[in-house]
Amino acid sequence: SQTIHQWPATLVQPVGSPLSLECTVEGTSNPNLYWYRQAAGRGLQLLFYSVGIGQISSEVPQNLSASRPQDRQFILSSKKLLLSDSGFYLCAWARVNTEAFFGQGTRLTVV
Amino acid sequence: KNEVEQSPQNLTAQEGEFITINCSYSVGISALHWLQQHPGGGIVSLFMLSSGKKKHGRLIATINIQEKHSSLHITASHPRDSAVYICAVRSKMTNFGNEKLTFGTGTRLTIIP
Repeated sequence: SQTIHQWPATLVQPVGSPLSLECTVEGTSNPNLYWYRQAAGRGLQLLFYSVGIGQISSEVPQNLSASRPQDRQFILSSKKLLLSDSGFYLCAWARVNTEAFFGQGTRLTVV
Repeated sequence: KNEVEQSPQNLTAQEGEFITINCSYSVGISALHWLQQHPGGGIVSLFMLSSGKKKHGRLIATINIQEKHSSLHITASHPRDSAVYICAVRSKMTNFGNEKLTFGTGTRLTIIP
């Protein structure tokens, strides 16, 4: 069955520290992968999407980057976190005409 | 204006009441999802719709493509239904025809025993 794993579930990081959130997918190959962020009181906003290994597109400019080193692995990173990076980060995968699957999310607090 | 609008933003009801949450969207879509987010943050997909109506237990989802509107209904609501319900639409991205999900801001539902 298709599953998606995202970790860690919660994270508290100081301003200026690096970030690495990982998402892995099981039970499918060549999925379209997505990173979303939910700021307090707002909806989920698309940050990055990837249609294949090494192929990353960014929807909004920000202090973050994404990488896809393997077909089923999607990583969200930052070299130096800002206070405004705090929020709920969600990894998802979907294919045309199929169900979408979501990770458990990571609640990031930058202090 | 957001591409996906949900109403109401917050809803409190007594156990047993019939619940309706609405979603309107302004873009062409290939499908619409209703999602449930519990306090821990994890999101579960309840329905994926491209037309008509779907039912799963006490949950019913409908969509009207012409009117660009969908509703999620909960019959005989229960305190365990308390969660944030999110509408998300799938639409084509500008390159390669790949799809993206655009989320509404969610409806926070609280069912009181």
